[in-house]
Amino acid sequence: SAVISQKPSRDICQRGTSLTIQCQVDSQVTMMFWYRQQPGQSLTLIATANQGSEATYESGFVIDKFPISRPNLTFSTLTVSNMSPEDSSIYLCSGDRPEGYEQFFGPGTRLTVL
Amino acid sequence: AQTVTQSQPEMSVQEAETVTLSCTYDTSESDYYLFWYKQPPSRQMILVIRQEAYKQQNATENRFSVNFQKAAKSFSLKISDSQLGDAAMYFCAYRSVYGGATNKLIFGTGTLLAVQP
Repeated sequence: SAVISQKPSRDICQRGTSLTIQCQVDSQVTMMFWYRQQPGQSLTLIATANQGSEATYESGFVIDKFPISRPNLTFSTLTVSNMSPEDSSIYLCSGDRPEGYEQFFGPGTRLTVL
Repeated sequence: AQTVTQSQPEMSVQEAETVTLSCTYDTSESDYYLFWYKQPPSRQMILVIRQEAYKQQNATENRFSVNFQKAAKSFSLKISDSQLGDAAMYFCAYRSVYGGATNKLIFGTGTLLAVQP
């Protein structure tokens, strides 16, 4: 199966700043997804990223706060803008296998906002 | 809208024993996929097993098997011969087949499995 890498694996940031998380897949995928996960809790979908079009955001998430890019079929970025301590979380990206309905995940980025 | 429920926040099993994790879901669709994902402390989400709703046969992957009861909307995971490396958070997930690959995964709240030596 495909492998997804994320950068950075963790970061500590000051409030008011922005962080861009990169997600790289070693093969082409149809859709990429960005999730947020509080420790010990389930995953919450932020948005779905399709190549060549704007991302589709879930309720409660807006493009100004979480801009997403998807320049090609193997790469996507998520920016967490104007961060506050409430943004401290784990951020995961995932991709679809073109022929299947399962998603495979990156290792996650642990973000702490002071 | 579809929902996924995991009623066991935590479970514990002795090494080499068998444990069953429960999952129920709600949907009006007739065809869909169900998944069990494992998330160890490393955070990496790993697909454990997949079940296609139109298949009556329960999926099996080595020590992992499911009991899929479509009418009851139940999808439990059985782990046989439990190993220390099975300790993790386990998530049940649902995905519709309608609408293509854009459909999102709907996750349950997870079950934290501890394996006692």
